[in-house]
Amino acid sequence: QLQLQESGPGLVKPSETLSLTCTVSGGSISSSSYYWGWIRQPPGKGLEWIGSIYYSGSTYYNPSLKSRVTISVDTSKNQFSLKLSSVTAADTAVYYCARHRLRPTDWFDPWGQGTLVTVSS
Amino acid sequence: QSALTQPASVSGSPGQSITISCTGTSSDVGSYNLVSWYQQHPGKAPKLMIYEVSKRPSGVSNRFSGSKSGNTASLTISGLQAEDEADYYCCSYAGSSTPNWVFGGGTKLTVL
Repeated sequence: QLQLQESGPGLVKPSETLSLTCTVSGGSISSSSYYWGWIRQPPGKGLEWIGSIYYSGSTYYNPSLKSRVTISVDTSKNQFSLKLSSVTAADTAVYYCARHRLRPTDWFDPWGQGTLVTVSS
Repeated sequence: QSALTQPASVSGSPGQSITISCTGTSSDVGSYNLVSWYQQHPGKAPKLMIYEVSKRPSGVSNRFSGSKSGNTASLTISGLQAEDEADYYCCSYAGSSTPNWVFGGGTKLTVL
């Protein structure tokens, strides 16, 4: 059974870089046909797709966040990571990682449990 | 890319049916049969309930169904049960020039 687990600091200072890692277990991150995505949810608000990465390193980013986002993959560790630079309070959210199936279908499943990141000095 | 539009809340009594709408544009919902729906209970991660507008993953009750007309997708839950009380989010592929994905603002379902 595939499982995903987010990890990283729960508190980040304004203007600094948020860094999170998602560890995949029960399956290989190098599986063909699957991307691996990051989605966030500000407290009490809706979901926002951040970006997705293929094991080869090919990435898609949300146009509204693209200038600040970098997603990378480490196949040797079965992990992928998120970096979001120049954070503000508006980036406070629960950050989820999820398997992302593309072409010809399209869905996110399963999801990690999520990790709350608070941006505050 | 704007979020898809969902009603903030819907409610229904046990055994009844409810429908949640998800309105996008001709650039997302209207152009692709790639709408998915997610159920989220408080403090939990979202769970895939419907994909490709109307397909159900293995293990999801057939009380959940999806459809689409024009720029609006819909999720219908029949035979409402107390355990269905949750937040529901739609998501659509919004390719245009570069692939990206957009979610709805979410709908709180209350089972009365």
